[in-house]
Amino acid sequence: AQSVTQLGSHVSVSEGALVLLRCNYSSSVPPYLFWYVQYPNQGLQLLLKYTSAATLVKGINGFEAEFKKSETSFHLTKPSAHMSDAAEYFCAVTGGSQGNLIFGKGTKLSVKP
Amino acid sequence: EAGVTQFPSHSVIEKGQTVTLRCDPISGHDNLYWYRRVMGKEIKFLLHFVKESKQDESGMPNNRFLAERTGGTYSTLKVQPAELEDSGVYFCASSQPRAGPPDTQYFGPGTRLTVL
Repeated sequence: AQSVTQLGSHVSVSEGALVLLRCNYSSSVPPYLFWYVQYPNQGLQLLLKYTSAATLVKGINGFEAEFKKSETSFHLTKPSAHMSDAAEYFCAVTGGSQGNLIFGKGTKLSVKP
Repeated sequence: EAGVTQFPSHSVIEKGQTVTLRCDPISGHDNLYWYRRVMGKEIKFLLHFVKESKQDESGMPNNRFLAERTGGTYSTLKVQPAELEDSGVYFCASSQPRAGPPDTQYFGPGTRLTVL
């Protein structure tokens, strides 16, 4: 069985500050992990994914995430927040090559000027 | 290349009525998934097609939901009769089948269903 926990349903940061969105997973098989972003009135867009290659994964828009097996974590970071980063972010896990994604509840990121 | 499209973008219906949602995947994507997000909850898997075959429908909530993918191209999700708890955003996603690490699932913009 697999599950994802995202700590914090809402996160607020100032423009230029570090963004840290937390994701912990549970999986009985080696996981594949994803971060998706949903901007207002749009669909989900892939930010980055971990597929058992490098543990530090770089994505679009300056985001990156590090897979830490010992901590069962896949936290998303960005060194400097921009107003355009305001959106809802979803962490997801799957155990198979074609399996469905299991999502966390999402974290809404607000960026203050 | 066109992305995943969904129709309609919004639907408001009365309890007991029927609604059909449509998803057009990216051309050539054999995998097609339906997901749903009820307000305040996480996005949950409904079912997975490989071409026209249902690979996994373990997430379908009950037999009021019927999904089809005739010809292995677009898919429809019918809710009949609709209940209040069916309200939410229905997402469709598609991907290429592959061995090893999964291909990216590309999501459509979703259909927001409101049942009154």
